[in-house]
Amino acid sequence: EDQVTQSPEALRLQEGESSSLNCSYTVSGLRGLFWYRQDPGKGPEFLFTLYSAGEEKEKERLKATLTKKESFLHITAPKPEDSATYLCAVPGNTPLVFGKGTRLSVIA
Amino acid sequence: DVKVTQSSRYLVKRTGEKVFLECVQDMDHENMFWYRQDPGLGLRLIYFSYDVKMKEKGDIPEGYSVSREKKERFSLILESASTNQTSMYLCASSLRRMNTEAFFGQGTRLTVV
Repeated sequence: EDQVTQSPEALRLQEGESSSLNCSYTVSGLRGLFWYRQDPGKGPEFLFTLYSAGEEKEKERLKATLTKKESFLHITAPKPEDSATYLCAVPGNTPLVFGKGTRLSVIA
Repeated sequence: DVKVTQSSRYLVKRTGEKVFLECVQDMDHENMFWYRQDPGLGLRLIYFSYDVKMKEKGDIPEGYSVSREKKERFSLILESASTNQTSMYLCASSLRRMNTEAFFGQGTRLTVV
């Protein structure tokens, strides 16, 4: 069964304190991994697609990386506006299988 | 930019009512999806559609049905709303079947009383 596990469930950082979020997956034949940002009460917003091990994508303070078993979302010098829930997803036998997300809080 | 629009941000319905949630996308995407999102359970797939008039059951289809009469529009129907269907409902669309990113609407917060 396709599975996506994200850790930690919640993360609290001081402004400027860099850290990483983890997404590990079990899927037969990886066909891509997607990262989303979700603000409270809103739909997920697409951030990145990664297709092969070793690939990296960057957007402002965020950098996503991919290995054969997991992906990391690195947050460098975060600001309070980076506070959100970050979701990762992979295509499975049915459409995208989502992890439960990491709820990030950045404190000024 | 892809735009996925859900007809309502908030809805309050009574138990037993028939409820329609509408979703429209403007990018000629082939695939459309309905998820619900609940605290601690994450996003769960209800139904999806790869083409007009086609529908496939997701992980939790019980109590729901869907309609896709036009490529850009995908409707979720709660045949007889129950309190356990109180949730955030999210519509999404994607260009190709399996390995492309999905784009989401803003969500509909449905409360069944």
